[in-house]
Amino acid sequence: EPEVTQTPSHQVTQMGQEVILRCVPISNHLYFYWYRQILGQKVEFLVSFYNNEISEKSEIFDDQFSVERPDGSNFTLKIRSTKLEDSAMYFCASSELVAVELFFGSGTQLSVL
Amino acid sequence: KQEVTQIPAALSVPEGENLVLNCSFTDSAIYNLQWFRQDPGKGLTSLLLIQSSQREQTSGRLNASLDKSSGRSTLYIAASQPGDSATYLCAVLRNSGNTPLVFGKGTRLSVIA
Repeated sequence: EPEVTQTPSHQVTQMGQEVILRCVPISNHLYFYWYRQILGQKVEFLVSFYNNEISEKSEIFDDQFSVERPDGSNFTLKIRSTKLEDSAMYFCASSELVAVELFFGSGTQLSVL
Repeated sequence: KQEVTQIPAALSVPEGENLVLNCSFTDSAIYNLQWFRQDPGKGLTSLLLIQSSQREQTSGRLNASLDKSSGRSTLYIAASQPGDSATYLCAVLRNSGNTPLVFGKGTRLSVIA
């Protein structure tokens, strides 16, 4: 069964460093998303991406964040200068069309020290 | 602003019991509602998707219902098993195109053998 793949599963970084989280969405899906979950809190939306551009972004997704689809398969989230409060589980998701079932990856646990 | 609430926050039941998890949302103008399962430290597994025009969806021992006018959904799990132990999240999609899922905080279910 097709699945969304995320790498790495765990990432530890120092405050101020840049990190890139990687995702391979399901191959025939057109819409891509990043969500995050701080420990003990709700899953929160960061950004949605379609046709090589951002469709919508939340207040969390400030200038420190960026997304890219560098080739036909990968979808990345970059955090330019990490802060302690960026520590969270980051989930990538994809959907075939807009407003249909979303499929999530297993997440990248980011720890900023 | 859409708010999603799940009650109870945690639930412990003996194996074999039937149980109901509750989800409520403040804005009834939703496009669909999705139930997910999350195992500790893991990703989100989609269980059921209910479109706003539907009243219920079934998959195996799971049955999800939707009452859009009252802003409520329930997830019914029949004949619970220890393997059902996980956190169950509900998420709603607003009725306005490519908008993000809004999640509840989840119900942490423990099924005791």
